[in-house]
Amino acid sequence: DADVTQTPRNRITKTGKRIMLECSQTKGHDRMYWYRQDPGLGLRLIYYSFDVKDINKGEISDGYSVSRQAQAKFSLSLESAIPNQTALYFCATSSGRAGSYEQYFGPGTRLTVT
Amino acid sequence: QKEVEQNSGPLSVPEGAIASLNCTYSDRGSQSFFWYRQYSGKSPELIMSIYSNGDKEDGRFTAQLNKASQYVSLLIRDSQPSDSATYLCAVNWVNTGNQFYFGTGTSLTVIP
Repeated sequence: DADVTQTPRNRITKTGKRIMLECSQTKGHDRMYWYRQDPGLGLRLIYYSFDVKDINKGEISDGYSVSRQAQAKFSLSLESAIPNQTALYFCATSSGRAGSYEQYFGPGTRLTVT
Repeated sequence: QKEVEQNSGPLSVPEGAIASLNCTYSDRGSQSFFWYRQYSGKSPELIMSIYSNGDKEDGRFTAQLNKASQYVSLLIRDSQPSDSATYLCAVNWVNTGNQFYFGTGTSLTVIP
């Protein structure tokens, strides 16, 4: 089984709808991240969490919110989806131990907002 | 402002050749450096991490870090068609809470 899973894998929704993307991990990592990827813009950080009680905004948090339900679960919500939120969304995890900052990515969610 | 820059390519090399991918970054306060491979429509896959100056080898891959010149490179020896992908450079700055900053990637095509 994959260490980092994301659901759904694909989603088409309409403008104004609320949508939640979910991420679960079995790696035992404390740190979890949400990124979006757009062609030509690379990966950009939306939110990150170093533990259940520590949530931080990333580079592009406007229009998004997150919830860290447990060490292993981190959800991303779009409160009112808009077409320019159409993108590929990735969850990632890392242990955060000194000398071990590698991030490991889930398979991604392709979101289309019409 | 944290910036990570890569030549977007595309970079084409013949099968069996050495592919050289480069990445520069804007801030000397960086801590660690990573190379990811991403196939179209798939998630980034970690290839190499490097934390100190010099070379680090893993199979056909060698990462080279020069902090004084603020660049990190990835060499792929004996390139294979399966190496055709986009390669992402990521830099971790400790004074930003260990956030990763990614370059936009270099597209590599290995020609059989």
